[in-house]
Amino acid sequence: QVQVVESGGGVVQPGGSLTLSCAASGFTFTDHGIHWVRQAPGKGLEWVSYIRQDGSTEYYADSVKGRFSISRDNSKRTVYLQMNSLRDEDTAAYYCARTLYGAHDAFDVWGQGTMVGVSS
Amino acid sequence: DIQMTQSPSSLSASVGDRVTITCRASQGISNSLAWYQQRPGKAPKLLLYAASILESGVPSRFSGSGSGTDFTLTISSLQPEDFASYYCQQYYITPPWTFGQGTTVEMK
Repeated sequence: QVQVVESGGGVVQPGGSLTLSCAASGFTFTDHGIHWVRQAPGKGLEWVSYIRQDGSTEYYADSVKGRFSISRDNSKRTVYLQMNSLRDEDTAAYYCARTLYGAHDAFDVWGQGTMVGVSS
Repeated sequence: DIQMTQSPSSLSASVGDRVTITCRASQGISNSLAWYQQRPGKAPKLLLYAASILESGVPSRFSGSGSGTDFTLTISSLQPEDFASYYCQQYYITPPWTFGQGTTVEMK
């Protein structure tokens, strides 16, 4: 079935690094942009990053710009989020989500999330 | 950046109630608005996009309206599985894609 599955979460110390993966299946991967969205414990949703279908365009939230890097390997149907210089405030559940096909840029397929904890 | 403001932040309701949640954008966004439902411990789920188009598989008791800066999500008859948090999101001017702060629908 159509799904995206995140992996790679864990606990790291402040200043550390982590790479998250988002593996897609059940749909034409190259038809869809992919986003990362995070949710700190007890808080709302915060958009983090986006990569275009062909990987030619990337966007980042100001809160992660210069520290996080998004990439994709279409042959592996996987999107990555490289997270460097992690801070306490990066602690959150990280979701990847597919962009709806067509003119409307809503997020129609979400993964179950992977938890990232930043703590000394 | 476009700011999205939802009201109320939380509400208490009973099964069978009609529930309305409001979302206001800091500037006009045409109809480029989505609504998501998030049950506790679960991932968000797309309910509506283009302000009023129901995503496939979503029950017809959910409806959306609005254009420009003011939008509404309505649940016509609240069901037990509808107790959850709801988020609006604009995708008119991106990046960033911005969400409202959320509305929690609790059991009265």
